[in-house]
Amino acid sequence: KAGVTQTPRYLIKTRGQQVTLSCSPISGHRSVSWYQQTPGQGLQFLFEYFSETQRNKGNFPGRFSGRQFSNSRSEMNVSTLELGDSALYLCASSLPSGRQDEQYFGPGTRLTVT
Amino acid sequence: QKEVEQDPGPLSVPEGAIVSLNCTYSNSAFQYFMWYRQYSRKGPELLMYTYSSGNKEDGRFTAQVDKSSKYISLFIRDSQPSDSATYLCAMTYTGRRALTFGSGTRLQVQP
Repeated sequence: KAGVTQTPRYLIKTRGQQVTLSCSPISGHRSVSWYQQTPGQGLQFLFEYFSETQRNKGNFPGRFSGRQFSNSRSEMNVSTLELGDSALYLCASSLPSGRQDEQYFGPGTRLTVT
Repeated sequence: QKEVEQDPGPLSVPEGAIVSLNCTYSNSAFQYFMWYRQYSRKGPELLMYTYSSGNKEDGRFTAQVDKSSKYISLFIRDSQPSDSATYLCAMTYTGRRALTFGSGTRLQVQP
């Protein structure tokens, strides 16, 4: 079974620009979560989508947004990029079933803001 | 104070050693506990998933959860150079989709 795929893998943007990252979950998985990983803050939760609806949101500014499509693929967008947005952005998918499900991560998109 | 504390290491051990990795947490609501392994420039890989207290074994890996002490551990037996990676603990509770991660412990297994 194919894992979580993320595109692009690497991205370089300039301050003030916007960026869109894409995530395709494991086949059959309907929940997609996004995380930001930086050396200073570690892994931090951005938001989670299920059935095209945002169910949970972390403590990030409104410049960070996302959406999910009917095929469960998800995109996240960051507008007005800041230098501090440089990070590894990770997508994780899970089923979910009735209990707390295991989350499986993709390889990430490494974003560099200059 | 962070909800989840994890010693960043690095932890250096010789090949074949038993490795012990640990996390402590402050939120007693946490029920589900995970260990992820992350190689450099890769995404985290789920190693172990446990619910509530107790032990779980999978091959060379054993996860322990002590909810009374708010302490979780991952043991790696017969460690191999290929085990060299950063190990992240993560936890959550029913209804909360977000995982709370420790900062990760960097492990180096010397051949």
